[in-house]
Formats: sequence, structure tokens, C-alpha cells
Amino acid sequence: AQTVTQSQPEMSVQEAETVTLSCTYDTSESDYYLFWYKQPPSRQMILVIRQEAYKQQNATENRFSVNFQKAAKSFSLKISDSQLGDAAMYFCAYRSRDGGATNKLIFGTGTLLAVQP
Amino acid sequence: DGGITQSPKYLFRKEGQNVTLSCEQNLNHDAMYWYRQDPGQGLRLIYYSQIVNDFQKGDIAEGYSVSREKKESFPLTVTSAQKNPTAFYLCASGYRGLGGKLFFGSGTQLSVL
Repeated sequence: AQTVTQSQPEMSVQEAETVTLSCTYDTSESDYYLFWYKQPPSRQMILVIRQEAYKQQNATENRFSVNFQKAAKSFSLKISDSQLGDAAMYFCAYRSRDGGATNKLIFGTGTLLAVQP
Repeated sequence: DGGITQSPKYLFRKEGQNVTLSCEQNLNHDAMYWYRQDPGQGLRLIYYSQIVNDFQKGDIAEGYSVSREKKESFPLTVTSAQKNPTAFYLCASGYRGLGGKLFFGSGTQLSVL
């Protein structure tokens, strides 16, 4: 069974600085998706970024980028130029890409990010 | 506007009572999911459904039941057998099979009186 581990329960960053959130996962599959979701105080889950395992290139979405290390099974999220609105719980998630799969996401336990003005 | 609607936002359950959480989507997604969120434990899958009239147990299905009579609707019943129901419940939908991302509702906070 696949597992996702986020070893940083809480992180803090100064506004305008850069922060990196860590995520490792365990799987025997070769093809899969990885995601970062953001959950602000409203508790609405918002997709931040998605990575397809077969793609070498790291995904980027504006100020958000990932460092995907497939061999190491590592998937970290970098937030550049941090803003107050980035303060939230961040979840790393895994999904199989198997054609018979269910699209179900497996989540880590989350990292609570605080942004200091 | 397209999206997922969960109701109610807050729900209280009395001892021995069954309660039902509503989840409706107008995104024409095949698959729907229910997740439970407890502090410090992330999201755990309760039940999921890939097609009308079919659903499967997730990792923590005991004490819960679901139905999928319509593509748009996937209600979750928290039964009296669920001894620790206090949690935040999130419904999601997505495309069946390869590709696609999950879209989430705004959640229901269930508490025990």
C-alpha cells in the first residue's frame, strides 16, 4: 500500500521569503500523480500543483514549484515570495495512474504554514 | 456556477442517532468520494463511488453508509455504530480513470452532543 509522509507538522516563513515543505512517499508503482493541496482557515481544499511521475520536468505554478526526486521518492513544495494569504495547512497527496484505479487520493498528515509579516 | 455543494455546514448528533451529510455536484463527474479529517491525521477515505449504483469501502468505512442513486448525489450516513463521529467531513468528485484532479466541497463539521 502507498503511504505519504510529511515530517514537518509546522513551518514559519517571513513575508516575501521562500519556504520549502517536504513530502516523501512510498510506492512500488512506476506511474502515478503527486499533488499539493492547500487548506486555508476556511477549510476549503484548493489544488496548488500537480506532478505526473513520468515527466522529468518539475511542475511550476506561478510562485509555487516542486522538486520531484523520483528515485528518492521525494516531492517538496517551494513557495517563493511568500504572501500572507499563503498561510494555510498544506497536504501532499498521491494517486495511482493505473487505468483501473479509482482516482482516490492518499494524503499526508499536513504541514501548517505560518507567514510572518 | 459549477461545483460541489455540501450541507449542512455544521451538524450535531445525539447519542444513538443516525445523521446524513449531503453532497451534490453539477460538474458531471463520474467519481465521488467522502473523506474524514481529524486534527493531525490528514484526510482518510471513507467511501468512494465511480458510477451510479456502485460504491466501495475506503480505509475507514465502519460505522458509515452511502448511496449513489444519481450521478450528482452521494450522501453519507453516519450511523450510531460510529462511536467517534466528531470530525470534519469532505466530499470530493473527479473524473473516472486516468487523469483529472479532485474537486472538493466546503465540508461539514459534525459534532456529538
